[in-house]
Amino acid sequence: GAVVSQHPSWVICKSGTSVKIECRSLDFQATTMFWYRQFPKQSLMLMATSNEGSKATYEQGVEKDKFLINHASLTLSTLTVTSAHPEDSSFYICSARIASGTQETQYFGPGTRLLVL
Amino acid sequence: QKEVEQNSGPLSVPEGAIASLNCTYSDRGSQSFFWYRQYSGKSPELIMFIYSNGDKEDGRFTAQLNKASQYVSLLIRDSQPSDSATYLCAVFSFRNQGGKLIFGQGTELSVKP
Repeated sequence: GAVVSQHPSWVICKSGTSVKIECRSLDFQATTMFWYRQFPKQSLMLMATSNEGSKATYEQGVEKDKFLINHASLTLSTLTVTSAHPEDSSFYICSARIASGTQETQYFGPGTRLLVL
Repeated sequence: QKEVEQNSGPLSVPEGAIASLNCTYSDRGSQSFFWYRQYSGKSPELIMFIYSNGDKEDGRFTAQLNKASQYVSLLIRDSQPSDSATYLCAVFSFRNQGGKLIFGQGTELSVKP
């Protein structure tokens, strides 16, 4: 399958700092990427849809000013958690879409584990 | 009604048995169906996708789709302890915001040696 990478794989930061997470499609171009968050023992929660060259579309309840998404190229989307707080500690996972006509497949990156102290 | 429903499990099967994972969805316009496997602490890994009614086989895995019943399943033959994971059913629909995957809550599978 297609390869999606994320960096960093884990990060520990102090409360109030901002953290940037990168998501890259390594062997294909992705016009659309997705950002998910997953708390322990819970299901994936879609945070936002990131479209290359346009503003991200956020899911209900997700603060767009806190979770800044930039999709500047066809292979890179970034998620910045601004002024992170302990409740933002979670597993953040991106995915990239490969579309062919009306069919599509979505591949996930390995995830970034964020711990805010 | 949830858009994609799965039994949360855990589903426990003995090694070598067939594991059957089920999923139902509410949007009749859904076009693509996926099964992901997620090991504890890891991100989801795509293992099967199916677009047409019927069965699709890949190694020990068989995906079954019945659009009339809005039902998709995953069979794992000769289950191994390494198959123990949470299996996520995902359905793609164009209904929302240009299309996105809707995930079920996942079924935890435990294969006992």
